[in-house]
This record gives sequence, C-alpha cells and structure tokens, in this order.
Amino acid sequence: DAKTTQPPSMDCAEGRAANLPCNHSTISGNEYVYWYRQIHSQGPQYIIHGLKNNETNEMASLIITEDRKSSTLILPHATLRDTAVYYCIVLNRFGNEKLTFGTGTRLTIIP
Amino acid sequence: DAGITQSPRHKVTETGTPVTLRCHQTENHRYMYWYRQDPGHGLRLIHYSYGVKDTDKGEVSDGYSVSRSKTEDFLLTLESATSSQTSVYFCAIRSGSGVNEQFFGPGTRLTVL
Repeated sequence: DAKTTQPPSMDCAEGRAANLPCNHSTISGNEYVYWYRQIHSQGPQYIIHGLKNNETNEMASLIITEDRKSSTLILPHATLRDTAVYYCIVLNRFGNEKLTFGTGTRLTIIP
Repeated sequence: DAGITQSPRHKVTETGTPVTLRCHQTENHRYMYWYRQDPGHGLRLIHYSYGVKDTDKGEVSDGYSVSRSKTEDFLLTLESATSSQTSVYFCAIRSGSGVNEQFFGPGTRLTVL
C-alpha cells in the first residue's frame, strides 16, 4: 500500500541536473514530502522536505506541484558521489510516524 | 553529520547466542530508532524510543528487545539469534522539536550462522 510511486532507475550525466520524479496522489493536507537517499553500504541520508512551496538547501531543490500530487527532487550539478537510491516519502512532520522506505529510484551518475 | 555511532560494525555469531547492538548519540535527541534492512524488504522498524526508559514496538519486533537507560544510548538485543535475523541494522535519531527528519548511523552488519 505504497503512498508514493517512483521510477525504479535513472541515469544522469555528471555535471548535469538530475531530476527525480515522485507521484503521491493520495497525499493528505498535513503530510509533508521528504526525500532521503542511500549510498551503497551506508545509512540513509536525509536530503530535504517540503509541504507545498518549493524548497532549496545546500544539497538539492524540491519542486512540489500546486495540487501536491507529485514532486521532483533536483540535484543541480550531479557528481559521481550522488550515485545512490533515492526515496520519496510522505508523512506527517509532527507525528511519530516511522519512516517507510519503498523501493526508491536507483540514480546512476555517468562520467 | 549527526553524531551517531553504532557498535560493533560487523558481527558474526551462531544461532542461539545472545547479541547486543549499541547505538550511541552525542546530539541529546529524544527519539531513537532501530531498523533492519534486507533485500526485497527495504527498511523496517524494529523498536523505537521516545525518551529514557520509554520504548515501543515497531513492525518487526518479535525476537528483539531494547533498552534505553540513558539519553545517549539505545541498545538492541537479540535474546537468541536466528539465521532470519541476519541483516544490516541501522540506528536513527531525531530531535523532539516536532520535526521528522531522521539521521542514521553507519549500520551494523550481523551474520547469524
């Protein structure tokens, strides 16, 4: 009963922007969109989150559509170290919900 | 990076032996979590803690117990290890200030023979 849908894999050339889509058509009004990634053999890493406005931090940008049914994570200048599995998650920011990682998108940065 | 360490990082043990994994944080965060990660199953919550001596079960808690006697330490114990508990175990923390961003440790790879 996945709340999000992501493509299983994507490739991106090094130095280009990587755009990772996520569909979350059943998102409720108090749920945020979170993005995490997991580099091989490491623990998951928090990237960014947002509610309805676009967000940017030192790692990435998050674009959420006006109806909030989908979003895109943007890595503006992808490097080889960005090769990882990226997870899109929706949950209530202020609850104690556990993180449920689906299968995510395996992003490969091509030299 | 959040100050989270896990010990040991790797362990091989035999079926039926007790095993304790330790998660240590230097962030003074209220919430701590134990997850396991297996191929085809993603990340699954075992137990979590919302304060000293306050713990609760996750979705795969059978065969595991936890203890939190200090803010900084969260222990996961396998009372009698089984081969099905071979996995990578991750600890995570988050602050209690209403935010839900979790920060993960480096993981412990456990093999039960």
